[in-house]
Amino acid sequence: DQQVKQNSPSLSVQEGRISILNCDYTNSMFDYFLWYKKYPAEGPTFLISISSIKDKNEDGRFTVFLNKSAKHLSLHIVPSQPGDSAVYFCAASFQGAQKLVFGQGTRLTINP
Amino acid sequence: GAGVSQTPSNKVTEKGKYVELRCDPISGHTALYWYRQSLGQGPEFLIYFQGTGAADDSGLPNDRFFAVRPEGSVSTLKIQRTERGDSAVYLCASSLTGGTGNTGELFFGEGSRLTVL
Repeated sequence: DQQVKQNSPSLSVQEGRISILNCDYTNSMFDYFLWYKKYPAEGPTFLISISSIKDKNEDGRFTVFLNKSAKHLSLHIVPSQPGDSAVYFCAASFQGAQKLVFGQGTRLTINP
Repeated sequence: GAGVSQTPSNKVTEKGKYVELRCDPISGHTALYWYRQSLGQGPEFLIYFQGTGAADDSGLPNDRFFAVRPEGSVSTLKIQRTERGDSAVYLCASSLTGGTGNTGELFFGEGSRLTVL
């Protein structure tokens, strides 16, 4: 069963506009959520995270929103830049469990 | 080096052969993880080490898969009697502490791409 789902395999956005990547989860025990970014032939790199006690976390151009009632989180990138083109993975974990559960990823392409 | 190092970067083997994949974590990181990423999927958890011991091996798919970390640093993932379905990128990650306070911010290596013919 896919506990973390990213239903959009790809997204194309014009440079300078907002990119919105979405993620849904099913396990209500998850209390920590992360976004990782992956370039080709590289390992995933941590981007931003949010605890379940918050509904928003912002870091520069990146903001993550968490809607616990809907079991949904989203990553907003504004303004989008060509270097943001990558695969983005949503991941979740819960207290006491050391493993991250990843979604399938969304390939973001920023067009000049 | 400064990051997580994995060798080999690419491994092609025949069905039924034995394979070892090595991971050298960031110096001082006590927690080490192995993940497997199949084409079009996200990383899938295999095993987590805290120090020398495997604290959680619930993600290992079957007994053909085994991992060790004898001195609490370098880890080796061992796959016996490889099958075509084992083809994937095997990712290693480390973090400073692990434990219940872990934020989940893992540092990943570039992965070892395994192809079983």
